[in-house]
Amino acid sequence: AQSVTQLGSHVSVSEGALVLLRCNYSSSVPPYLFWYVQYPNQGLQLLLKYTSAATLVKGINGFEAEFKKSETSFHLTKPSAHMSDAAEYFCAVSGGFQKLVFGTGTRLLVSP
Amino acid sequence: DAMVIQNPRYQVTQFGKPVTLSCSQTLNHNVMYWYQQKSSQAPKLLFHYYDKDFNNEADTPDNFQSRRPNTSFCFLDIRSPGLGDAAMYLCATSPGEGSYNEQFFGPGTRLTVL
Repeated sequence: AQSVTQLGSHVSVSEGALVLLRCNYSSSVPPYLFWYVQYPNQGLQLLLKYTSAATLVKGINGFEAEFKKSETSFHLTKPSAHMSDAAEYFCAVSGGFQKLVFGTGTRLLVSP
Repeated sequence: DAMVIQNPRYQVTQFGKPVTLSCSQTLNHNVMYWYQQKSSQAPKLLFHYYDKDFNNEADTPDNFQSRRPNTSFCFLDIRSPGLGDAAMYLCATSPGEGSYNEQFFGPGTRLTVL
């Protein structure tokens, strides 16, 4: 069965600092991986996805993630945090039967 | 723009009073999902439709029902809402086969139960 683990329920950074949100996956088949962002009282918005093409995936709003099979990781990064990046971030892996399996989420806090 | 629309955005109901949440899509996707999301938690899948085929999650309470009258619309019915059903309800869609299960979410309906 597929699963993802997000380390750190909260991550705090200063504006302009590097953002690193961690996601490790477990999958019995080659995984398809996703990062979603959720702003308060909104739905989930796709940031980026890995579908077995390039291992370094670039997404919207300056975010990127690197698929590392040897580490079973798909960490999300952004070189310079902006106040508008403050949100909840969910890592997800494609499960069976048209489903996604979500991690527990990481809340990103950005201070001035 | 193609999108997933949920109405209403905010719904207040009384304990035990049936409520219906609606979702529509202009993406012409085969799969539609309903999730329940409580504060600071990941979305929890309640059920989904692949075309007209209904798939219920094993732990979804009987209090929750769904209808999909056509490709574009899907409804979530809560027959007798309890205080524990207060949550954000998210609708999502996916093209289906060959889509890696990427899902497109609506803005959600926040349900308050008094």
